[in-house]
Amino acid sequence: GNSVTQMEGPVTLSEEAFLTINCTYTATGYPSLFWYVQYPGEGLQLLLKATKADDKGSNKGFEATYRKETTSFHLEKGSVQVSDSAVYFCALSVYGNKLVFGAGTILRVKS
Amino acid sequence: NAGVTQTPKFQVLKTGQSMTLQCAQDMNHEYMSWYRQDPGMGLRLIHYSVGAGITDQGEVPNGYNVSRSTTEDFPLRLLSAAPSQTSVYFCASSSGFGWGTSNTEAFFGQGTRLTVV
Repeated sequence: GNSVTQMEGPVTLSEEAFLTINCTYTATGYPSLFWYVQYPGEGLQLLLKATKADDKGSNKGFEATYRKETTSFHLEKGSVQVSDSAVYFCALSVYGNKLVFGAGTILRVKS
Repeated sequence: NAGVTQTPKFQVLKTGQSMTLQCAQDMNHEYMSWYRQDPGMGLRLIHYSVGAGITDQGEVPNGYNVSRSTTEDFPLRLLSAAPSQTSVYFCASSSGFGWGTSNTEAFFGQGTRLTVV
């Protein structure tokens, strides 16, 4: 079956620190990969995505590269801000319309 | 531009009560879905619809019913609430199949926090 595994949180960083949130996946077929972000009290928003191997998705200073050989899609940001505090979800879809989510990783950034 | 609107935002039910969670989107999206979010488990698909009049089960459909009489609305019904249905519920919509394609994105509502006592 299809599944996504994310590193457990919460992750607590100081402002301007480097962020990595690990994500690995198992999929039958060729998935597309996503990172969604959920700010406090809100729904999920698409942060970035990649649809084929070696693609790099990027948005708001965040990046993730689709690594087929390691079945990974790790999220990185060079310098986090307090406003980045949120829950981050890695997700995949295979052949279209259903998203499979990881458990989510809470990020807390301290000033 | 409202996007996806869910009501209510909060609800407390007694075991055995029934209720309907409302979801409406104004983007003319064909594809709509309901997820529940539980701590440590991410989001799990309950039911989805690929267009008016067409619905199907997701990963955790038991205890829930849906219907899709219009493109805009996709209500979720709890027939007889149980404490195990305490969760945060999210409705999402998309312009169609192919969430892996470059021009397709899922839009989520703000969620309904349901407590069953």
